Amino acid sequence: EAGVAQSPRYKIIEKRQSVAFWCNPISGHATLYWYQQILGQGPKLLIQFQNNGVVDDSQLPKDRFSAERLKGVDSTLKIQPAKLEDSAVYLCASSLKSLAGDYEQYFGPGTRLTVT
Amino acid sequence: AQKVTQAQTEISVVEKEDVTLDCVYETRDTTYYLFWYKQPPSGELVFLIRRNSFDEQNEISGRYSWNFQKSTSSFNFTITASQVVDSAVYFCALSEAPRRYGGATNKLIFGTGTLLAVQP
Repeated sequence: EAGVAQSPRYKIIEKRQSVAFWCNPISGHATLYWYQQILGQGPKLLIQFQNNGVVDDSQLPKDRFSAERLKGVDSTLKIQPAKLEDSAVYLCASSLKSLAGDYEQYFGPGTRLTVT
Repeated sequence: AQKVTQAQTEISVVEKEDVTLDCVYETRDTTYYLFWYKQPPSGELVFLIRRNSFDEQNEISGRYSWNFQKSTSSFNFTITASQVVDSAVYFCALSEAPRRYGGATNKLIFGTGTLLAVQP
């Protein structure tokens, strides 16, 4: 079974530029998450989708971050304009939500963003 | 508010030693789930275990074992006979129980992680 795919793996941009990350979840997984992991910290949820609807975006800086999940499969996360403090690894995860409550989250390899 | 504390920032052991990684959590929910993830240098988070709040049985999987104690709000992880390949950052995480329709997210609240270095 293929895992969660993310691209690009690395990105370096200057502050005030824009950037976009792509995620393809595990096939059949209805729930998709974007986490931000700053160096030395644990991941922090930015946004959670259930199919193509947003479940939780309470920690998403909406003035600069946006995310969408068209057709309930792939998702993109965008930052515009980027700030130095956005330097982090952006992790995408997916889980299979079923009535049985099977919801381990499986993570992709992440995109390491450096803002200079 | 939910919170996970991993007080050990870094642990260094010599191969074949046993090592325990501590995790203490806070939640007001009566139903919740605890997780351990491993993050090797490659960066990908690898799921290790999920435990629900109603199941306090300890679990053993090969060299790994987990001790869940609700009385002390702890969910500790022990690696027996450590190996160099165990070197990684280990995260403990907490989530509230998902509800079937609408309602709560089942986002993971992570601790700050423990860097385990196993020396040959």
